[in-house]
Amino acid sequence: NAGVTQTPKFQVLKTGQSMTLQCAQDMNHEYMSWYRQDPGMGLRLIHYSVGAGITDQGEVPNGYNVSRSTTEDFPLRLLSAAPSQTSVYFCASSRGYGYTFGSGTRLTVV
Amino acid sequence: QQQVKQSPQSLIVQKGGISIINCAYENTAFDYFPWYQQFPGKGPALLIAIRPDVSEKKEGRFTISFNKSAKQFSLHIMDSQPGDSATYFCAASEGDTGNQFYFGTGTSLTVIP
Repeated sequence: NAGVTQTPKFQVLKTGQSMTLQCAQDMNHEYMSWYRQDPGMGLRLIHYSVGAGITDQGEVPNGYNVSRSTTEDFPLRLLSAAPSQTSVYFCASSRGYGYTFGSGTRLTVV
Repeated sequence: QQQVKQSPQSLIVQKGGISIINCAYENTAFDYFPWYQQFPGKGPALLIAIRPDVSEKKEGRFTISFNKSAKQFSLHIMDSQPGDSATYFCAASEGDTGNQFYFGTGTSLTVIP
């Protein structure tokens, strides 16, 4: 039982590049979310999903896309990376109350 | 607008002392209040949580105090240990509405020996 697995752990992008952050969970959780963590700002919700085929925007969705084709996977796509997207990204999943978080992806955009 | 306000931003406590972190919220529809603990390089992990039907919940050295009328809740760490040094986040959510959690800005706790 791996929990929530995020890849890659570290990534450096050039401004304008695109990439996909992968997230997979093996707990059969319905709910999955993406957060970004920035110093002094806590965790801010980017996008979330309440089940396969259903996604919605969180607090800071601009510049990011998501899809949920299966219960297990919830990838986050950066369309055209900007320095403001330098952050630590966490994927999380839940069956009800309380999230299980992945170990994060540290992204630097130069 | 910050849905959950957390203080202090950082806290230094002597080993054996009591660490207290406070959070406040405005949305009276929130009905689940968890605390998360995060060590450097790791994702947040659920520490303890409370529902508004009780005023206090204790798990080992960790206690949540909840004041529904003041819309405040706090985490107390008794007999603080150096291993408790981490960042703590409070959060709040509103039932099962998509499981959106609103997090505080975090408190960096350092427990000195």
